[in-house]
Amino acid sequence: DIVMTQSPLSLPVTPGEPASISCGSSQSLLYSDGNNYLDWYVQKPGQSPQLLIYLGSNRASGVPDRFSGSGSGTDFTLKISSVEAEDVGVYYCMQALQARISFGQGTRLEIK
Amino acid sequence: QVQLVESGGGVVQPGGSLRLSCAASDFTFSTAFMHWVRQVPGKGLEWVAVIRHDGSSIYYADSVKGRFTISRDTSKNTLFLQMNSLRVDDTAVYYCAREGTGIHALDVWGQGTLVTVSS
Repeated sequence: DIVMTQSPLSLPVTPGEPASISCGSSQSLLYSDGNNYLDWYVQKPGQSPQLLIYLGSNRASGVPDRFSGSGSGTDFTLKISSVEAEDVGVYYCMQALQARISFGQGTRLEIK
Repeated sequence: QVQLVESGGGVVQPGGSLRLSCAASDFTFSTAFMHWVRQVPGKGLEWVAVIRHDGSSIYYADSVKGRFTISRDTSKNTLFLQMNSLRVDDTAVYYCAREGTGIHALDVWGQGTLVTVSS
């Protein structure tokens, strides 16, 4: 099974400042079709998780363009260009290369 | 709108059984891969099981293999999770989620149902 590792686990950010979360996988998520099978989710307080980014760098419908995903192979990054108060929550990366998908531990973003 | 609604959670004793349901609406359920994901309160997400659109392939997390069974009834647009031999560490909120066609991501999630295993 693929192990996903996120850092940092806690991320205090001042509104208006950028934020970055890293995600590493124990094996390459780059598939033969050229896509990286890596997704990002956010779980806001009291809510179900929601999809932010799929296939490494594609924003899901309705996701603000301040969110971006990058990386390839085993190293990925989620960036928020300018954090807003509504971005508070726990962010998870997830690999979808294998049928038995797996999540990172989560990164808690809080507002300073 | 596109929606998933879980039900069937509750309190059960260790060793007991419970069956969760997930009702899908406003999308073509028969073509969607469906997953169960769980979350111990205050902890991270743990994938549980997946079933292909036609039920031809099913996979489980090692932690539930042999005890849980995922199934679907396309005529009722409903996903199920039969949980047997429940343990205290199965206590969690259980979410059903749709895998979006071609995007290899879970693009629709239910609100979750809480399962508490306690004596």
